[in-house]
Amino acid sequence: AQSVTQPDIHITVSEGASLELRCNYSYGATPYLFWYVQSPGQGLQLLLKYFSGDTLVQGIKGFEAEFKRSQSSFNLRKPSVHWSDAAEYFCAVDLNTGGFKTIFGAGTRLFVKA
Amino acid sequence: DTGVSQNPRHKITKRGQNVTFRCDPISEHNRLYWYRQTLGQGPEFLTYFQNEAQLEKSRLLSDRFSAERPKGSFSTLEIQRTEQGDSAMYLCASSLGDRKTGELFFGEGSRLTVL
Repeated sequence: AQSVTQPDIHITVSEGASLELRCNYSYGATPYLFWYVQSPGQGLQLLLKYFSGDTLVQGIKGFEAEFKRSQSSFNLRKPSVHWSDAAEYFCAVDLNTGGFKTIFGAGTRLFVKA
Repeated sequence: DTGVSQNPRHKITKRGQNVTFRCDPISEHNRLYWYRQTLGQGPEFLTYFQNEAQLEKSRLLSDRFSAERPKGSFSTLEIQRTEQGDSAMYLCASSLGDRKTGELFFGEGSRLTVL
């Protein structure tokens, strides 16, 4: 069955440190890939997406993600974390079935310490 | 652009009661989605509309759940005879339906608590 796995339930990093959030997917073909962020009391917001082409994609707020087909991964990175980045991050795939059904991982909660 | 609006933001109800949630998508978006999110989980797909047509429903959507989008604009999600297991955040999202973008625009959600 198709699935999205985010192995880390929560991660704590110091402000200014680098960040990597992991995401693996299980799907027969290369799906469309997304990262969304959810801050408390707010709706999910798209950070970045990958459809095809360059496997390193840039997003908003200084985030980037790299698609690695051989590892079925789409990890999110940021070189220097700010306190305002504390939120929940969701990796998602669009199964490209024509039904435009987006499947989300369970999320990784990011804590930022001063 | 006022974004996706959901009402009510919070609903507390007793088991067995019916509840209805409303979603107003971004005006030019022809696709509308409902998701459910429980604590510690990512959003789970429930159903989606293209204009007024409901094109796909998840197995999660039991017979007690019904969604409509009567004129291809706002949508309602009704839950009949609520159960405690229905307690969750119900998220609405909309999109242009452009295959090249795929981005979903989410509302802030409607939190349901069933006592």
